[in-house]
Formats: sequence, C-alpha cells, structure tokens
Amino acid sequence: QVQLVQSGAEVKKPGASVMVSCKASGYSVTNYYMHWVRQAPGQGHEWMGIIDAGDGSTSYVQKFQGRVTMTRDTSTNTVFLELSSLRSEDTAVYYCARGRALNSGNDLNFDYWGQGTLVTVSS
Amino acid sequence: QSALTQPPSVSGSPGQSVTISCTGTSSDVGSYNRVSWYQQAPGTAPKLMIYEVSNRPSGVPDRFSGSKSGNTASLTISGLQAEDEASYFCSSFTNMRSFVFGGGTKLTVL
Repeated sequence: QVQLVQSGAEVKKPGASVMVSCKASGYSVTNYYMHWVRQAPGQGHEWMGIIDAGDGSTSYVQKFQGRVTMTRDTSTNTVFLELSSLRSEDTAVYYCARGRALNSGNDLNFDYWGQGTLVTVSS
Repeated sequence: QSALTQPPSVSGSPGQSVTISCTGTSSDVGSYNRVSWYQQAPGTAPKLMIYEVSNRPSGVPDRFSGSKSGNTASLTISGLQAEDEASYFCSSFTNMRSFVFGGGTKLTVL
C-alpha cells in the first residue's frame, strides 16, 4: 500500500534553513509528481510547489522563489523540501502529497499525504 | 492567488444531508473541472474524498458527492454519520498553473 512518511518536527532560528524529507513506499516516486503543501496555525492550506520526481524538474509558487528547493533521491525513493531564510511566518505543518502519475490523463492529485512535519521558527 | 472561500462551519444530525460550498473565481474553479475535496480530522493527514469535481477515489463511500456550478463547487454528504465529523477543504487548479485551497469547513454532527 502507498505510504508517505515524513521526517520529524524541527525547531529553527530565523534565518536558518530546514530540510523535510518524504519517503515513499508502495510505489516508485519516479512515476509520479509530488506536491508540497503547508498549513500555518489556524490557517488554511497553502500550495508551495511541485516536483516531477521522474526528471527532477520543479515549479514553485512565486512567493517562495529563491527560498525553496524541491529535490528527489531515486535510490531511496525519497523527496525533499528545503526552505531557507526562515522567518516566523514559516511556522507551519509541512506536508508532501502525491501528485498524478506522469503521462496520466486524469487529475488524480493529492491522493496520498504524508503525516506532516511541524516546523517551528523561533528565536 | 486568493484562497477559495468556504463557510467556517456547518452542522447536521445523523441521517441528514449537508452541503459545503467552495467559491473561487473564473481563474480557478470556474475554468477547470479540477476541483478536489479533502477530509481532515485533528492531528491527522488529509484524505482525498472527491477529485475532478465529482469523482470518488476507491474506498470513499457514495454518500459523498461533488458538483460545480460556475465559480462555486459543492460537497454533499448524505446520510450523515458521527464518523463524518471532521474538517473539509477544497482545492482547485488555477490559470497560473498552480493549486489553491479553501480555508476549510468544520462539520459538526449533532
């Protein structure tokens, strides 16, 4: 069965960077897109961007451009999110969520989610 | 891209039906049949309930249905059960080739 298991909670100081991992099982990441979504306390979900885990190409939301990097390691079937220059407003639960299959004709996105990783930015 | 608009809360008694709305614009909900709905209990990961406006993933009960009219999508839950109590939120593809989410609606089963 498909599972996405994320790395544990992080506490970072403003200006630091954080990397969150998302290890997939039950399927090969190289056959799908992967989204990253975050939810700040008391707020709705916010889409951050997407990685084509097949070729590693990415598309990021404009507001995160220059601070976000999404990568994948095909040998470990894991996808990564790195966010730099952290500020207090980046405090949130970060989720990976599987996108549609590459070369798929449907829009079956966000069908499996990781358990979430709480990133707290505080001095 | 502004978040999609959902009512903060809805409620219903067991066996009743409730409908949750998700209002966007002609740049997202109104232009694409790529609206999805998710169920999320506190402290858990979201679960996909509806995709492409009205399609149910395998395993989702047919009590859950989706529809769209203009810039507003809707999720209807019929035959409410206590286990349906959770938050529900929507998402849509946008003309910026991005995704936007709703603020979420807390469903209370009375």
